Formats: sequence, C-alpha cells, structure tokens
Amino acid sequence: AQTVTQSQPEMSVQEAETVTLSCTYDTSESDYYLFWYKQPPSRQMILVIRQEAYKQQNATENRFSVNFQKAAKSFSLKISDSQLGDAAMYFCAYVNDKIIFGKGTRLHILP
Amino acid sequence: EAGVAQSPRYKIIEKRQSVAFWCNPISGHATLYWYQQILGQGPKLLIQFQNNGVVDDSQLPKDRFSAERLKGVDSTLKIQPAKLEDSAVYLCASSLATGLGGYTFGSGTRLTVV
Repeated sequence: AQTVTQSQPEMSVQEAETVTLSCTYDTSESDYYLFWYKQPPSRQMILVIRQEAYKQQNATENRFSVNFQKAAKSFSLKISDSQLGDAAMYFCAYVNDKIIFGKGTRLHILP
Repeated sequence: EAGVAQSPRYKIIEKRQSVAFWCNPISGHATLYWYQQILGQGPKLLIQFQNNGVVDDSQLPKDRFSAERLKGVDSTLKIQPAKLEDSAVYLCASSLATGLGGYTFGSGTRLTVV
C-alpha cells in the first residue's frame, strides 16, 4: 500500500527567509503524481505545486519549488522569501488512482 | 469558475443523532470525493464517486455512514447514528475524471459530536 510520510510536525521560519518541508513516500508504481497542498485556517485545501513522476525536471511555481528524487522517493517543498501569508498546514500528497495525504507540517512565519 | 460548495460550515450534534452534509462540485467535474480530516491529521478518503457510481468506499464505515450522488452532480454524506469519534472536518473535493490535474476542495464542514 502507498504511504506518505511528513516527518516534521511543525516548522518555523523568519519572514523573507527560505524553508524546506520534507516528504517521503512509498509506492511500487512508476507512474504517479505528487502534490503539495496548503490548508490555511479557512480549512480549504489549496494546491501549491504538482509534479509528474515521469518528469525529471523539478516543478516551480513562483516562490515555491520542489526537489523530486524519484529513486529516493523524496519530494520536498522549498518556499523562498517566506511571507506571513504562507503560514498554514502543508500536506504532501501522492496520487495514482486515488490521493493519499501525509499528516501535514504546520508552518509558522516569524515577523 | 465557482468553487466546490459545501454546507453547513459548522454542525454540533449529540451522540446517537444523525447529520447530513451537502456538496456541490465544480461544474463538469465527473469525480467527487468525501474526506474525513480528524484534528492534527491529513484528510482520509471516505468515498469516491465517478459520475453517480461509487469507485471506492473501502474506508467508509458503512454501519453508520452513507453517501449518494444520485444525478451525478451534487452529493450528500450522512452519519446515523453519530459517535464522539466522528468529530472532524468533512471535506468534499472534485476533479476531472482522473484527478491527475489536481483536486479542488471545498471549505469543509466542521462536525462536533458531544
């Protein structure tokens, strides 16, 4: 069965600094997608970034980028120039025929 | 485009009572999902519909939970009777057929069972 592990329950970063959130997963499939979702206090899950497993190039969306290591089954999220609005729960998710979430990392932004 | 609509936003009930949640997905999204998110955890899939058919309900506690999507559009999730451990946020999401393009989530219903 596929699993997703986020080993950092909470992290803090100074405003304008860079932070990396870790995620590892386990699967025997070769074709899948990986997502990072942000969940602010409003509870709505917001898609931050998406990576197709068949693509070697790491996905980038403005200040958000990933480090995808397929052999190591690792999918970390880097947030550059952290802003107060980035404070939220971040969930790593594996998608094949269904989506499986990790337990999340709560990110605090320190002014 | 309009997002995924859910109601109610909050609900408080006593144990053994029943409750129903409603979800209206994004127009044109064939696949609809119900998730349960217990405090401090990631969302857990309860049931997945493809149009009006059930694709996966393996983690749905069928003795007390039921869900339907009769016309392949909006959906209801019911709990009867509720238990204390059902206290959670219930999220609805929708996607195009495969979900590989991403899922759009609603704001969820926070259920408190007392």
